[in-house]
Amino acid sequence: ETGVTQSPTHLIKTRGQQVTLRCSSQSGHNTVSWYQQALGQGPQFIFQYYREEENGRGNFPPRFSGLQFPNYSSELNVNALELDDSALYLCASSLGGRGSNTEAFFGQGTRLTVV
Amino acid sequence: AQSVSQHNHHVILSEAASLELGCNYSYGGTVNLFWYVQYPGQHLQLLLKYFSGDPLVKGIKGFEAEFIKSKFSFNLRKPSVQWSDTAEYFCAVNFLNFGNEKLTFGTGTRLTIIP
Repeated sequence: ETGVTQSPTHLIKTRGQQVTLRCSSQSGHNTVSWYQQALGQGPQFIFQYYREEENGRGNFPPRFSGLQFPNYSSELNVNALELDDSALYLCASSLGGRGSNTEAFFGQGTRLTVV
Repeated sequence: AQSVSQHNHHVILSEAASLELGCNYSYGGTVNLFWYVQYPGQHLQLLLKYFSGDPLVKGIKGFEAEFIKSKFSFNLRKPSVQWSDTAEYFCAVNFLNFGNEKLTFGTGTRLTIIP
């Protein structure tokens, strides 16, 4: 176990709906990153939050948004869901946030299916 | 754009065979390098990491990797595989010029060990 927990584990949504995924970071970690892992692919970086501010973003449209709370837990919000958003969404926590020599610990993921 | 390549998509080996999985990245600057493993139904787990120093890195479960800077490579090796090594293996790189812990992943290698 990594100490990173995500909820829910599985979710089914209809195209056009909105979804919120949650992540509790490992104790003591101040950085949370979100990744999308499509079937048969490696995880793709969505964005990172460091001390409640966005600190880097991948090639995802603005309908993917996030938030980090004072306790360093985080949410990923996706608006106007599309079928291609179906994927495993991974949260990773780490200590650092500014490109330091640190490793990321991953949660078990949320499997999102858009129908 | 920075990228990570894993050329072996699916590798099938018999127990006790030796393993080498290739990983190459596209950028010549300072990098942190990682190998993660994903067992069926489980979260991504760190096998080993390289930040600096000895380019031969030893990880958990008998795995090791060698960083060859001139070849932009970080290949994973194990002298004798076991059935329990059946999993998906991901190489990941943190390109340190971005000032965050964004990981760029390869597409993964599915390893199947035949008893």
